[in-house]
Amino acid sequence: DQQVKQNSPSLSVQEGRISILNCDYTNSMFDYFLWYKKYPAEGPTFLISISSIKDKNEDGRFTVFLNKSAKHLSLHIVPSQPGDSAVYFCAATAGNAGNMLTFGGGTRLMVKT
Amino acid sequence: DAGITQSPRHKVTETGTPVTLRCHQTENHRYMYWYRQDPGHGLRLIHYSYGVKDTDKGEVSDGYSVSRSKTEDFLLTLESATSSQTSVYFCAISRTDNSPLHFGNGTRLTVT
Repeated sequence: DQQVKQNSPSLSVQEGRISILNCDYTNSMFDYFLWYKKYPAEGPTFLISISSIKDKNEDGRFTVFLNKSAKHLSLHIVPSQPGDSAVYFCAATAGNAGNMLTFGGGTRLMVKT
Repeated sequence: DAGITQSPRHKVTETGTPVTLRCHQTENHRYMYWYRQDPGHGLRLIHYSYGVKDTDKGEVSDGYSVSRSKTEDFLLTLESATSSQTSVYFCAISRTDNSPLHFGNGTRLTVT
């Protein structure tokens, strides 16, 4: 059973608008969460992370929100740009597991001009 | 761009044949990982290494073995390839066990 789920396989957004990518998890031991971005024929690249002691982390146009009670996190991209078109993976790990990441299935974001 | 090279980039092989994928890094990072990416499953950890000759199993290790005889090289071997091992394989490295992973560009393996 998947412990990290991204229920939307794809998302289409107009350039300049907000993109919201969602991720749910079931393992209450997860305490560190990351988002990776992947372009075709390339490996994933780290985007942003958040520890469970926070509920928000911001880096430029990217903000990750964590709702521990709902076991839900989201990635907001504002404003969305065509270069943001990629597959986004949510990942989680427990404190004692280090980089043993559990990934979600990914969401393909398409930013339209 | 982290110095990670995966070889080959593409490979087609027949069921039952052995296959070895190579990951080479120039960053001198201690930790190395092998993941596979499949539709709907995201990336799943196969094996990882926390130093030369130190390796351990991940979530989907059955049918795979690894070796790390030098800091810079991490080999993934499929002793007898099966069609279920058709996938895209990614190598990743990290400096510590809780610093972000840096991934290579992947190897697309097709087992016919």
